[in-house]
Amino acid sequence: AQKITQTQPGMFVQEKEAVTLDCTYDTSDPSYGLFWYKQPSSGEMIFLIYQGSYDQQNATEGRYSLNFQKARKSANLVISASQLGDSAMYFCAIRGAQKLVFGQGTRLTINP
Amino acid sequence: AAGVIQSPRHLIKEKRETATLKCYPIPRHDTVYWYQQGPGQDPQFLISFYEKMQSDKGSIPDRFSAQQFSDYHSELNMSSLELGDSALYFCASSLRDVGGPEDTQYFGPGTRLTVL
Repeated sequence: AQKITQTQPGMFVQEKEAVTLDCTYDTSDPSYGLFWYKQPSSGEMIFLIYQGSYDQQNATEGRYSLNFQKARKSANLVISASQLGDSAMYFCAIRGAQKLVFGQGTRLTINP
Repeated sequence: AAGVIQSPRHLIKEKRETATLKCYPIPRHDTVYWYQQGPGQDPQFLISFYEKMQSDKGSIPDRFSAQQFSDYHSELNMSSLELGDSALYFCASSLRDVGGPEDTQYFGPGTRLTVL
């Protein structure tokens, strides 16, 4: 079985600062995928970034990057130059078989 | 780019009534997933379909059933609704399980179900 742990229920960051959202995972599968999703207050789930377990490089997508440390089973999301529109709930997820298993999420608030 | 379409977006039902949620996946996506997100919780996997066959099953109550049709759209049928069924129901779609970023699940906007 897969498990995701997000230890930061909430984070407050000043606009334009970088922020790191923590995610640790547990799985017995040799091959797996890790995902980050953003959920604004409007409710939709927006895919941000993907990291494969065999990827040699850390994934990057615009202002989002993933600090993947396989030995430590961590996949932290880094958002550079935060913006007010980044205020949302952020979920880390691992793909087990076909389904996604999510963590409890981190609520990020960007202060002007 | 086309996204996952869900209807209705909002639904209000009484206890013991039935509800049907519809999902239209992204064109060319052949796998559909259903998730339930209770208030303040993370999404929980309910069920998935690949090529019209059930491919995985999670914590879906026996009162719920789902299917995928020949045009790949899917419907989640919920009967004998209970207060605890009030939640945001997401449909997601992806290409089949090929591993890698190609099978990223893209979510629809969700159906917010309120049971009174």
